[in-house]
Amino acid sequence: GAVVSQHPSRVICKSGTSVKIECRSLDFQATTMFWYRQFPKQSLMLMATSNEGSKATYEQGVEKDKFLINHASLTLSTLTVTSAHPEDSSFYICSARRRGGRLGEQYFGPGTRLTVT
Amino acid sequence: EDKVVQSPLSLVVHEGDTVTLNCSYEVTNFRSLLWYKQEKKAPTFLFMLTSSGIEKKSGRLSSILDKKELFSILNITATQTGDSAVYLCAVLIPNRDDKIIFGKGTRLHILP
Repeated sequence: GAVVSQHPSRVICKSGTSVKIECRSLDFQATTMFWYRQFPKQSLMLMATSNEGSKATYEQGVEKDKFLINHASLTLSTLTVTSAHPEDSSFYICSARRRGGRLGEQYFGPGTRLTVT
Repeated sequence: EDKVVQSPLSLVVHEGDTVTLNCSYEVTNFRSLLWYKQEKKAPTFLFMLTSSGIEKKSGRLSSILDKKELFSILNITATQTGDSAVYLCAVLIPNRDDKIIFGKGTRLHILP
């Protein structure tokens, strides 16, 4: 149990276009989902926290108008990178906290590698 | 600013060796420290440590936390090539959403 999927796993887009990444909890309800970005040989940097039905909370330095997060249901959160630029190329990983789960227990998705040309 | 610092950043050893990975942290609020293993994709959970001095073990891996010194170590004994990965240390910050702050990781490579 506790499987999180992401789609797509890999995407290449042109500069200036928008890309949507989906994060789904497949066999549990996720009250909270987290979005991370990981540059090569760097750690996971938390971008934002989203709770179902409410606005996402963004970390300092993350542009909320550029990285749109929607957490419309207890099993789905989406991250849209708007007007993507090459510097947005990165590995984006989501994680989900299960409703009623142990404190701090987060399940990670497999990640989405975004390349902006 | 909350931070988690890991050392070494990379490590190359021979199969069968024992390795110790280090993690220190400075955070305003602390709930737990977590260790993850990351191979090609998403991190997989190894340990959660909340209390000082209590060792957690899972096979050849073990970890312990020192809350006075703000430090944790992850030990891997009798290493195997399958242990090659990035090992991430993270701290759970107690807030409404249980935020996790990650260190940069230690890249471990085991030579056959």
